[in-house]
Amino acid sequence: KNEVEQSPQNLTAQEGEFITINCSYSVGISALHWLQQHPGGGIVSLFMLSSGKKKHGRLIATINIQEKHSSLHITASHPRDSAVYICAVSTMDSNYQLIWGAGTKLIIKP
Amino acid sequence: KAGVTQTPRYLIKTRGQQVTLSCSPISGHRSVSWYQQTPGQGLQFLFEYFSETQRNKGNFPGRFSGRQFSNSRSEMNVSTLELGDSALYLCASSPDREDSPLHFGNGTRLTVT
Repeated sequence: KNEVEQSPQNLTAQEGEFITINCSYSVGISALHWLQQHPGGGIVSLFMLSSGKKKHGRLIATINIQEKHSSLHITASHPRDSAVYICAVSTMDSNYQLIWGAGTKLIIKP
Repeated sequence: KAGVTQTPRYLIKTRGQQVTLSCSPISGHRSVSWYQQTPGQGLQFLFEYFSETQRNKGNFPGRFSGRQFSNSRSEMNVSTLELGDSALYLCASSPDREDSPLHFGNGTRLTVT
């Protein structure tokens, strides 16, 4: 069993829909990261959180430490949100020794 | 402020050769970490450097090594290349403060033939 599990693996939705991507982990963490990767490889860090909830524009990330679960929400989705969204956790040993989820490929259709 | 710069963007090498990849962090960032992304294994942590010292290392063979210079620029070296080393190599920099996110470069795509 992978230490970081994401669901769904693939998600296709219509423009304007509310999107939820889930991440569960089984190890002790110091922080959880949500990242976005567009075709071509570039990765952008969206959120880094260790408790509660963070919001940036149309993106919201929540984490429940007790349940070892995090969600990334996108409101009013747009085709430019199409990308792979990756959940990664920083281990207790190091903020940089990230354990990565497999990613969720999101396609938003106009 | 310039972002994280990785060079080269693309590289083709043959088995047995060695390769050096470069990463220039955002100005003021002292931590540089390296990751390998392959279709089969996904993203995996290679190592992390801070102030010219390797602080953490992932589970990669000794053929993978790195270093960091006094200006925080980092290089990663892979010797005796194998076909399985074909991957996207990403580096990320951070100011290494609590709650500071990672800033990623666009990566170097290495193809080993």
